[in-house]
Amino acid sequence: DAGVTQSPTHLIKTRGQQVTLRCSPKSGHDTVSWYQQALGQGPQFIFQYYEEEERQRGNFPDRFSGHQFPNYSSELNVNALLLGDSALYLCASSPARGSRNEQFFGPGTRLTVL
Amino acid sequence: LAKTTQPISMDSYEGQEVNITCSHNNIATNDYITWYQQFPSQGPRFIIQGYKTKVTNEVASLFIPADRKSSTLSLPRVSLSDTAVYYCLVGAYSGNTPLVFGKGTRLSVIA
Repeated sequence: DAGVTQSPTHLIKTRGQQVTLRCSPKSGHDTVSWYQQALGQGPQFIFQYYEEEERQRGNFPDRFSGHQFPNYSSELNVNALLLGDSALYLCASSPARGSRNEQFFGPGTRLTVL
Repeated sequence: LAKTTQPISMDSYEGQEVNITCSHNNIATNDYITWYQQFPSQGPRFIIQGYKTKVTNEVASLFIPADRKSSTLSLPRVSLSDTAVYYCLVGAYSGNTPLVFGKGTRLSVIA
């Protein structure tokens, strides 16, 4: 079991550009959540996908959007990049009916906006 | 959501027991206490979860007093590889509840 995988590992973009980050959940998991982690801070919840629908959303602008595919993999899209979007973007997966407050995180994608 | 307060950083020598305390005065009746560990350049990893009294697994112990307004994560005989950021989270008992992280406690283990 490969666990949660994310691509790419690192990414450099310039202000105003758009970016797409990808995530494959742990085998057997059908729910994917995305988090943004700024340097020195804890991860902040962006949104969660289940059955190809956005189920919950955190306090992030509409520039942040996502998608979930039938195989449960997910994409995070960020439009009109700002310098403040520079962060580690983490994907986490969990089963639909988890028995505890456990989400499995990937290694993250480090996004740098110049 | 219950707000959590934990020390920003702690230092410990190898082989010592480390106790990290988290305050959560506004914890709700149906809230559980969960701890995550994050190594540099990795995503957080679930360590332990509890509701009351004491929970122990192969990694750590979690002590929760009767009033549940605080909790203590105990790491026995730490090694250099335990150097990480430890997050205390309080929330509903569900694998799909969005996790609310604070700044965590940065533990540095010294040889």
